[in-house]
Amino acid sequence: AQKITQTQPGMFVQEKEAVTLDCTYDTSDPSYGLFWYKQPSSGEMIFLIYQGSYDQQNATEGRYSLNFQKARKSANLVISASQLGDSAMYFCAMREGLKGGSEKLVFGKGTKLTVNP
Amino acid sequence: DTEVTQTPKHLVMGMTNKKSLKCEQHMGHRAMYWYKQKAKKPPELMFVYSYEKLSINESVPSRFSPECPNSSLLNLHLHALQPEDSALYLCASSQARTPRGAFFGQGTRLTVV
Repeated sequence: AQKITQTQPGMFVQEKEAVTLDCTYDTSDPSYGLFWYKQPSSGEMIFLIYQGSYDQQNATEGRYSLNFQKARKSANLVISASQLGDSAMYFCAMREGLKGGSEKLVFGKGTKLTVNP
Repeated sequence: DTEVTQTPKHLVMGMTNKKSLKCEQHMGHRAMYWYKQKAKKPPELMFVYSYEKLSINESVPSRFSPECPNSSLLNLHLHALQPEDSALYLCASSQARTPRGAFFGQGTRLTVV
């Protein structure tokens, strides 16, 4: 079974500084996909970034980058130049393929990020 | 703007009521999902529809009844719920194994009184 572990229940960062949110995973499948989602208090799950297990380079999307260390089974999210609007819950997730071409997301417990002015 | 639309955004219902949650997407995705999220917890999968057929039911109680009338619509019918069923219900859709992953709606915040 796939498992995602986020060990930081809460993180604080000053505005304009960088912050790293930790994520480790466990899977026996050689092909897998890892995601980070942001969930503000409004409830919507917002896709941030994706890393495939065979991707040669670490994924980047604007201020978001993923520090992918395959041997250590970690996929940490780095947010550069934090903004007040980054305050939210952040979930790391892994894709698990299901029959019929659908897929399931297995989520970690999440990290609540607070950006201070 | 979210590309998966859920209605209503908030719902308060009594334990004897019958209500329905609705979800709509026009991205041509053939897989649609219902997730349940309790406060301060991650989302948990409830149901998966693949090509309008129920493919996964994660041992959800029968008081939750999903329906997929067509490839764009997903409903969740609620009947005789309990207060512990109060949660955020998230609908999602996806194409198989794309880097984008699943698209989520804004969710319906359900309170059972």
